[in-house]
Amino acid sequence: AQKITQTQPGMFVQEKEAVTLDCTYDTSDPSYGLFWYKQPSSGEMIFLIYQGSYDQQNATEGRYSLNFQKARKSANLVISASQLGDSAMYFCAMRESQGGKLIFGQGTELSVKP
Amino acid sequence: NAGVTQTPKFQVLKTGQSMTLQCAQDMNHEYMSWYRQDPGMGLRLIHYSVGAGITDQGEVPNGYNVSRSTTEDFPLRLLSAAPSQTSVYFCAAGGGNTEAFFGQGTRLTVV
Repeated sequence: AQKITQTQPGMFVQEKEAVTLDCTYDTSDPSYGLFWYKQPSSGEMIFLIYQGSYDQQNATEGRYSLNFQKARKSANLVISASQLGDSAMYFCAMRESQGGKLIFGQGTELSVKP
Repeated sequence: NAGVTQTPKFQVLKTGQSMTLQCAQDMNHEYMSWYRQDPGMGLRLIHYSVGAGITDQGEVPNGYNVSRSTTEDFPLRLLSAAPSQTSVYFCAAGGGNTEAFFGQGTRLTVV
C-alpha cells in the first residue's frame, strides 16, 4: 500500500536562508507521481511542484526544487532564499498510476523568522 | 475561471443530522476526490472517483457516501453526523501527472 511520511511537524528558518522539508514514500508501483502543496493560514491548497517517477532530472519551479532520490524513496522539498510569505503548512503527496489515489503526508509547518 | 467550487464554506450540524457537501468543477477532469483535514493528520482521503458512475473508498470512508452522476459534480453526503466528523473538508479535481486542484474547503462543526 502506498504511504507518505513527513517526519518534521515543525521547522524554523531564517529569512533568506534555504530550507529542506523531508518526505519519504513507499510504493510497489514503478509508476507514480510526487507532489508538494503549500497551505497558508488562509487555508487554500496551493500546488508547488511535481516529480514523476521516470523523470531523469529533479523538478524545479522558481525557488522550489525537489530533491528526488528514488533509491531512498525520498522527495524532499528545497526552498531557496526563504521569504516571510513562505510561512505555511507544506504537504507532500503521492499518486500511483494504478488506482490513482492521491495520498498526503501529515504536513510540516514552516516558520520563517525575520 | 471557477475551477473547483465547494459549498457551503461553513456549516454547523447537530448530531444525527444529515447533509450534503457540494463540489463542482468546470475543468472537465475525470478524477475527483474528497478529503478531510484534522490537526496533525494531514489530508485523509474519504472517497474518490475516476469518472462518472465510478466511485471508490479512500482511507476514512465510514459515515460518508458519494455519487458521481456527471463529470462536473461530486457531492459528499454525511448520513448521520457525529462530533468526530467535525473537520475541514476539501474537494479536489484532477491529478495524474499534473496537479490536483482544490476547492476552498468547508469547515464543518458537529455539535
